[in-house]
Amino acid sequence: KQEVTQIPAALSVPEGENLVLNCSFTDSAIYNLQWFRQDPGKGLTSLLLIQSSQREQTSGRLNASLDKSSGRSTLYIAASQPGDSATYLCAITPGGGATNKLIFGTGTLLAVQP
Amino acid sequence: DTAVSQTPKYLVTQMGNDKSIKCEQNLGHDTMYWYKQDSKKFLKIMFSYNNKELIINETVPNRFSPKSPDKAHLNLHINSLELGDSAVYFCASSPNHRGHYGYTFGSGTRLTVV
Repeated sequence: KQEVTQIPAALSVPEGENLVLNCSFTDSAIYNLQWFRQDPGKGLTSLLLIQSSQREQTSGRLNASLDKSSGRSTLYIAASQPGDSATYLCAITPGGGATNKLIFGTGTLLAVQP
Repeated sequence: DTAVSQTPKYLVTQMGNDKSIKCEQNLGHDTMYWYKQDSKKFLKIMFSYNNKELIINETVPNRFSPKSPDKAHLNLHINSLELGDSAVYFCASSPNHRGHYGYTFGSGTRLTVV
């Protein structure tokens, strides 16, 4: 059974720091991995989508990497800003089978202090 | 212009009532989903429809009945509401049922049963 874990559960950093959020999954048979952010009381905003054949994706100050064989992904945020404060979720689409669904991680609550 | 829209955004109701949540997507996607986010912020899939056909039904009580009148709409009807049904319900869509191209989420419906 696929399980997705995120470490740390919560993180507080001063503005301007670079930081890394971690996501691990137990079954390396995945189609892709997607990082989302969720602001309090809001929906999920897609940040980056990495296909299983890719090693990384970049968007602005965000860089996500994927190491399928070791079951790990990282989300790197450069020069953090208070506006980056949110809950970050990683989710995988399992491989195999005719139908798929997202399996979510437990989330990392990020607070960037001004 | 909202890609995936849900109504209502907030819903407060008494135990035993029946309520519905509506979802519409204008992305031309074939597949739509309902996810539940519990009090610990963990997201888990409930149902998935592909072109109006139910393809995923995850151990959800029979009191929950999804309906998809067309591939752009997916509604969720809940009978005899219980306190434990209080949660945030998210609608999502993807281009196809394989999830290869990622998922787009709505802003959520916060259901509170009193």
